[in-house]
Amino acid sequence: GESVGLHLPTLSVQEGDNSIINCAYSNSASDYFIWYKQESGKGPQFIIDIRSNMDKRQGQRVTVLLNKTVKHLSLQIAATQPGDSAVYFCAERGGFQKLVFGTGTRLLVSP
Amino acid sequence: DVKVTQSSRYLVKRTGEKVFLECVQDMDHENMFWYRQDPGLGLRLIYFSYDVKMKEKGDIPEGYSVSREKKERFSLILESASTNQTSMYLCASLAGNTDTQYFGPGTRLTVL
Repeated sequence: GESVGLHLPTLSVQEGDNSIINCAYSNSASDYFIWYKQESGKGPQFIIDIRSNMDKRQGQRVTVLLNKTVKHLSLQIAATQPGDSAVYFCAERGGFQKLVFGTGTRLLVSP
Repeated sequence: DVKVTQSSRYLVKRTGEKVFLECVQDMDHENMFWYRQDPGLGLRLIYFSYDVKMKEKGDIPEGYSVSREKKERFSLILESASTNQTSMYLCASLAGNTDTQYFGPGTRLTVL
């Protein structure tokens, strides 16, 4: 079946560093991927998405890279700030309007 | 701004009670979803609806039902709550011509 996994459950970085959160997916037919940020006690918040016909997309301080050859997705956060501390989820579209989520990576940013 | 609201942030119920979780979106979205979120398991889809009065089972529908009488409202029903339904419940909505699901703040349900 479809599955989405994350390589690291917890990532600790210093404020100002760049952060890279990785995600592996298993369905080579997936055409859409999305990253969410979830702060403690809140619902997931959309960060950035990418379609399978692209390999890179940039937002404000965030970049998503897609490597379809090895079925790998990554989220890069530039100049990480304490407010970036949260759990980050990747998800792939696994069928009609359905998303398959990874288990999440916790990002800890220390001053 | 996109807005999805859920009726309660925290809820405590007893085993065997009937529980209603309400979700409302103000974006005129066709699609709505209910997930549960558990540590180490991520988000799992319980049910979704792509139109009024339409519903589809997700990956873990057992023990749950849903109701979509109006476009803006999607209710999750636990017919007889059990302790293994203690979880964070998240509602999301999605416009038919887009790909991004927008989530509500979640309801943390504890079943004693």
